[in-house]
Amino acid sequence: DAAVTQKPRYLIKMKGQEAEMKCIPEKGHTAVFWYQQKQSKELKFLIYFQNQQPLDQIDMVKERFSAVCPSSSLCSLGIRTCEAEDSALYLCSSSQRQGLSQNTLYFGAGTRLSVL
Amino acid sequence: GDSVTQTEGLVTLTKGLPVMLNCTYQTTYSPFLFWYVQHLNEAPKLLLKSSTDNKRTEHQGFYATLHKSSSSFHLQKSSVQLSDSALYFCALSEGTGGYKVVFGSGTRLLVSP
Repeated sequence: DAAVTQKPRYLIKMKGQEAEMKCIPEKGHTAVFWYQQKQSKELKFLIYFQNQQPLDQIDMVKERFSAVCPSSSLCSLGIRTCEAEDSALYLCSSSQRQGLSQNTLYFGAGTRLSVL
Repeated sequence: GDSVTQTEGLVTLTKGLPVMLNCTYQTTYSPFLFWYVQHLNEAPKLLLKSSTDNKRTEHQGFYATLHKSSSSFHLQKSSVQLSDSALYFCALSEGTGGYKVVFGSGTRLLVSP
């Protein structure tokens, strides 16, 4: 099985604080996705990177988040000012680029953010 | 835009019974369908996938058949086990080499002894 590593597993922040979480994609995977999952429900797409370049992101990410992949082996997702509604599990996934539509997404175990 | 509908939010069953989790989709492209499973406090992982019309795909006792005529990709198992208790997501990817993956809202399966 492919291995996507996410750190930290748990993150507790006060409202207004900054948060940062990291993801190490599977080696050789050039596509990286971030998803937000609240209360073990649906996966909400946040942002997509291809070869470290952000190619698609939702408005919320543009406005309040910071996401980069400074190398092929490290990506990070940050929240500039945490709000209560940001409490969620943040999942990073990676995939091979070639024939992307049919490629499996490999997920990390996630970073669970709690905003108090 | 593309969409995936999973009608059941929660399915509760007794061990040994059959199960079918519904998944229908909408897309104007040639679809590639996936089922992902997420056990408690674990990462989602692929269960099975298909883009071939009317061909049954199987893995770990689960099976699904993509029916393009009805835009469906229901997940089935003939006899559920306690270890099958998990959250199941149906997902759709454009079959044109695109990157977008649309997930359904998920169905939680709870299997009791």
